[in-house]
Amino acid sequence: GAVVSQHPSWVICKSGTSVKIECRSLDFQATTMFWYRQFPKQSLMLMATSNEGSKATYEQGVEKDKFLINHASLTLSTLTVTSAHPEDSSFYICSGGGPLGNTEAFFGQGTRLTVV
Amino acid sequence: RKEVEQDPGPFNVPEGATVAFNCTYSNSASQSFFWYRQDCRKEPKLLMSVYSSGNEDGRFTAQLNRASQYISLLIRDSKLSDSATYLCVIRGGAAGNKLTFGGGTRVLVKP
Repeated sequence: GAVVSQHPSWVICKSGTSVKIECRSLDFQATTMFWYRQFPKQSLMLMATSNEGSKATYEQGVEKDKFLINHASLTLSTLTVTSAHPEDSSFYICSGGGPLGNTEAFFGQGTRLTVV
Repeated sequence: RKEVEQDPGPFNVPEGATVAFNCTYSNSASQSFFWYRQDCRKEPKLLMSVYSSGNEDGRFTAQLNRASQYISLLIRDSKLSDSATYLCVIRGGAAGNKLTFGGGTRVLVKP
């Protein structure tokens, strides 16, 4: 199956700083990648859809100025959490699917963000 | 009503026993159905896709009932390593091409 690599796997940062999370598709070209957030004992919630070469599409309630997404190439999408606050502490996961998005998704390893 | 609903469990299962659980979905236009497995603090991993005719992969059997709008997962001869959260995932319907996740069903297999 396709491989999606996400980095870093965990990060601790101070309140007010920014954190960048990278998501790479290693063996396929991802025109679209998805970013999710998962709080403890809850399911994955889609934050935004990252589109190569164009602006990301954000889900309702997700602040686009706080969660900056860049998808500059077919193999890399990044999520930057700006001015992080403790309530941003969560598990962030990216995923990519098939070329038409009609196959199962392959997930990155996830990034556990803790803001102190 | 949530678009995808699952019994959160936990289902406490003796090793070697059979366990089954369902996932209901609200949008009849949903097109693709999957079961994912998620271990604690890890990313979800695809367990199996769910086909209209039902499908089996080793000890795991998945069924789709479009009329009643639910999918099911059955695990036979449960192993300790089957302990995980099983996520029902649906593509299509109101979310278009995006995936919609159920809250997960936690399964604990005990010796």
